[in-house]
Amino acid sequence: ELKVEQNPLFLSMQEGKNYTIYCNYSTTSDRLYWYRQDPGKSLESLFVLLSNGAVKQEGRLMASLDTKARLSTLHITAAVHDLSATYFCAVGRHPGTASKLTFGTGTRLQVTL
Amino acid sequence: KAGVTQTPRYLIKTRGQQVTLSCSPISGHRSVSWYQQTPGQGLQFLFEYFSETQRNKGNFPGRFSGRQFSNSRSEMNVSTLELGDSALYLCASSDQDSWRIEQFFGPGTRLTVL
Repeated sequence: ELKVEQNPLFLSMQEGKNYTIYCNYSTTSDRLYWYRQDPGKSLESLFVLLSNGAVKQEGRLMASLDTKARLSTLHITAAVHDLSATYFCAVGRHPGTASKLTFGTGTRLQVTL
Repeated sequence: KAGVTQTPRYLIKTRGQQVTLSCSPISGHRSVSWYQQTPGQGLQFLFEYFSETQRNKGNFPGRFSGRQFSNSRSEMNVSTLELGDSALYLCASSDQDSWRIEQFFGPGTRLTVL
């Protein structure tokens, strides 16, 4: 059974600081996703990582994937308050489809002034 | 392009009742997946429909069922509601021909079972 673990579960950080969220998964996967969720809202797609060594950046967020280590990271650079949200990683198993994503527990990020 | 839409957005039911939730995918998307989100269990996959056929199923009891219509719209039904069914139900659509194979989520239906 595929298991996806995220840490930390909760992260309080000051504006301007850097931090990394980790996502470990237990079995081989062909794709990894990062999503953002604001309170009471749906999931917003941030990144889709499809191959070993993939790195994607959008603004202050950068995601990477190491399929050999079964590890993805979401790095936050110079955090700002607007980044406060819950971040989920999700792993897809079925080749050729995005269905049946297994989600991590989520990391609740709180950026303080 | 319009996004994924879900109706209703909020629903209150009592134990033992049944409920039907609806999801309209992005135009042109043929795959619709359903997820349940609760504080205790997190986000869990319910099932996926593609071209009117259930293609994948998660570990939920038979009280949870779904279907997809020829226009790709999907419904999920929960019968004999239990308190534990209170959750945010999210549907997601994807374009199987897209190289990125990305799932786009709708706003969700928040179901409260009393």
